[in-house]
Amino acid sequence: RKEVEQDPGPFNVPEGATVAFNCTYSNSASQSFFWYRQDCRKEPKLLMSVYSSGNEDGRFTAQLNRASQYISLLIRDSKLSDSATYLCAVSWVPPLVFGKGTRLSVIA
Amino acid sequence: NAGVMQNPRHLVRRRGQEARLRCSPMKGHSHVYWYRQLPEEGLKFMVYLQKENIIDESGMPKERFSAEFPKEGPSILRIQQVVRGDSAAYFCASSPPQGSDTQYFGPGTRLTVL
Repeated sequence: RKEVEQDPGPFNVPEGATVAFNCTYSNSASQSFFWYRQDCRKEPKLLMSVYSSGNEDGRFTAQLNRASQYISLLIRDSKLSDSATYLCAVSWVPPLVFGKGTRLSVIA
Repeated sequence: NAGVMQNPRHLVRRRGQEARLRCSPMKGHSHVYWYRQLPEEGLKFMVYLQKENIIDESGMPKERFSAEFPKEGPSILRIQQVVRGDSAAYFCASSPPQGSDTQYFGPGTRLTVL
């Protein structure tokens, strides 16, 4: 079983849609959780950390479900500029373990 | 407030040559991580270093690859006798001293082996 798994997509959604990604992890001792965004041929950029209580940053909401060992990312009112690959990352001790990413295409 | 810096951004080598990749962490960061990303693949951890110490090198290939983070200067990832399979994007990330797992990435070095 892979340590961190994501649906590779692609998710093709129209502008203004709401889209959600899940990411499952295998190590129940995991302590830190993150979502990164990676544009084609660029470096991953930190989108948000994921806290037990959930957290929101504008149109983005992240949730953690420890019992089921997954994290989620919800994007509301999708913009064309949201098109990218979204990587989840998990750690129990450094370093981070990354999923392969979920590709999102927002279509006009 | 410079972020993580990597150079060169693009590196072309012929089979058998050496590749040397450099990474300067963000100001105030003392932990450096190297990752490799093959085309259409996810990020794979290679090595985790602090100044003058290798903390975890479990992701490093056993041969030809080495890394260091000297007391002065950038972290170096060295690949000796490169092969075509080494062609990839190599990303460096840094994090603050203990207490935070948050990692910030540099722009990467794209290595092409001819």
